Amino acid sequence: DAGVIQSPRHEVTEMGQEVTLRCKPISGHDYLFWYRQTMMRGLELLIYFNNNVPIDDSGMPEDRFSAKMPNASFSTLKIQPSEPRDSAVYFCASSFALLAGVNNEQFFGPGTRLTVL
Amino acid sequence: QKEVEQDPGPLSVPEGAIVSLNCTYSNSAFQYFMWYRQYSRKGPELLMYTYSSGNKEDGRFTAQVDKSSKYISLFIRDSQPSDSATYLCAMSPNAGNMLTFGGGTRLMVKP
Repeated sequence: DAGVIQSPRHEVTEMGQEVTLRCKPISGHDYLFWYRQTMMRGLELLIYFNNNVPIDDSGMPEDRFSAKMPNASFSTLKIQPSEPRDSAVYFCASSFALLAGVNNEQFFGPGTRLTVL
Repeated sequence: QKEVEQDPGPLSVPEGAIVSLNCTYSNSAFQYFMWYRQYSRKGPELLMYTYSSGNKEDGRFTAQVDKSSKYISLFIRDSQPSDSATYLCAMSPNAGNMLTFGGGTRLMVKP
């Protein structure tokens, strides 16, 4: 398995533009997580899905952020409109189950580095 | 105050040194404790996992949890330049995989 795949790896956009980040989880994993990492706030959980259904989106910062998972192999995180403070590295992770631990660890993708000018 | 605190570093040590990385936390509900290693421009990867209090050893790595003090540690023996990375602690209440991460400590091991 190629692991968690994210695209694009880098995105530079102007304030006000729509940004769509994409993620392909590891096949067979039922849980998908979206995180945001910044120097100031560290790694923050934004939302997670179970079997394509959003379970907890309490970490989504504002209504400008939305996430979907139309099928088991694809998820998107959309920011509309984007703002400079959204600049961060966005990670997607997937896991087999929700139980924390080595056998159910979260596998992270390489991240998308977003810069909003 | 953040729920999980971690000194950002950077921590610079010579090759072969013993490294001690630490996190403190405020939520007594945390029972599952993890250490992730993140290389530059990569995603975090799970390094160590412990449940409740006690020690766990895996090769050169030892994880310690002191729930009474709300303090966890990761020790790296015989540190190598390849250990240079950012180390993130993560915690979870009950058995859920909803992780709360520390801010990470950047470690540099010099040859």
